Amino acid sequence: DQQVKQNSPSLSVQEGRISILNCDYTNSMFDYFLWYKKYPAEGPTFLISISSIKDKNEDGRFTVFLNKSAKHLSLHIVPSQPGDSAVYFCAARFTGTASKLTFGTGTRLQVTL
Amino acid sequence: DTGVSQNPRHKITKRGQNVTFRCDPISEHNRLYWYRQTLGQGPEFLTYFQNEAQLEKSRLLSDRFSAERPKGSFSTLEIQRTEQGDSAMYLCASSLGGGTGGLYEQYFGPGTRLTVT
Repeated sequence: DQQVKQNSPSLSVQEGRISILNCDYTNSMFDYFLWYKKYPAEGPTFLISISSIKDKNEDGRFTVFLNKSAKHLSLHIVPSQPGDSAVYFCAARFTGTASKLTFGTGTRLQVTL
Repeated sequence: DTGVSQNPRHKITKRGQNVTFRCDPISEHNRLYWYRQTLGQGPEFLTYFQNEAQLEKSRLLSDRFSAERPKGSFSTLEIQRTEQGDSAMYLCASSLGGGTGGLYEQYFGPGTRLTVT
């Protein structure tokens, strides 16, 4: 069963506009949520995280919002740049575990000129 | 470059053969993770080491799979009697860590792509 879901396999946004990537989860036992970015032929790279006790975390152009009641989080990129074109994975960590992350299936973002 | 490295980057093997992959983590990281990624999916957790101790294994890790981390440094992942369903990208990640409270960023290597023919 897919406990972390990214229902949009792809997204196209114009340069300078906002990109919004969405993620839903089913398990209330996740305590941290993370976003990773992946370029072709490279491993995923950590982007930003949010604790389950927060509802927003911001880092430069990247902001993650968490809505626990809806079991939904989103990543906002403002303004979008061509270098942001990549596959974005949402991931979650179970409370009290030191280790494994559960990933979504990814959303391919293309930022066009 | 002091990032996570994996070798080989690509491996093509025939069904039934054994393969071994190597991961060299960031030197000061005590935690090491293996994930598998198939086409159209996100990475799936396989196993995790804290220093040399293998502390968790996924049910995805059948008895044909074995992982080691001797001396708490590099790690190897061996697949015996490979099957076509083993074809995937095998990703290694490493992190600092101590206890279960904090979140420690996992740094991923570029992966080893396995193709079983």
